[in-house]
Amino acid sequence: GQSLEQPSEVTAVEGAIVQINCTYQTSGFYGLSWYQQHDGGAPTFLSYNALDGLEETGRFSSFLSRSDSYGYLLLQELQMKDSASYFCAVTGNQGGKLIFGQGTELSVKP
Amino acid sequence: NAGVTQTPKFQVLKTGQSMTLQCAQDMNHEYMSWYRQDPGMGLRLIHYSVGAGITDQGEVPNGYNVSRSTTEDFPLRLLSAAPSQTSVYFCASSYTGQGHEQYFGPGTRLTVT
Repeated sequence: GQSLEQPSEVTAVEGAIVQINCTYQTSGFYGLSWYQQHDGGAPTFLSYNALDGLEETGRFSSFLSRSDSYGYLLLQELQMKDSASYFCAVTGNQGGKLIFGQGTELSVKP
Repeated sequence: NAGVTQTPKFQVLKTGQSMTLQCAQDMNHEYMSWYRQDPGMGLRLIHYSVGAGITDQGEVPNGYNVSRSTTEDFPLRLLSAAPSQTSVYFCASSYTGQGHEQYFGPGTRLTVT
């Protein structure tokens, strides 16, 4: 089976940097994805890591360590609009199905 | 492109009723999936499909059926609705299942009384 753990809530102030961690256990592993969801709307894709290291996309970066079964999402220069839920998700080896963690609710304060 | 569309947006069912949630995509994606999301929870995979004619179970398949007769459509059938199936249902599609960006539909909010 597959399981993912991430913090349930994180609070930060506007302009700061925040890191959301994700650890996973899976019988097979292709990669780790991150999704953002505002107020129960449709989740939107942020990033994907298949190899160890850091991937940067604008203010957002994502890191993966396959040996540690660990990844994180780094959000820089936080803005109020970044207040949302963030989900890590693992692609295992069973036909590519995507399994999500329970999500981290990020609150950005002025 | 319309992307991923879902109908209906809202639905109220009585216990024991059956219904089909519709999902369609116009991006020629091979991979499609259904998730449910309960309050304060993550998305749990119900069923998925890697191409027309091929479906498989996810984490929580009981009480749901799917079929994939075309690349575009992936309907989800509730056989006999139960209050435990009250949830928000999201359909998603991607080029393949392996790491490619999944595009989500707007969701169907289902209440079973």
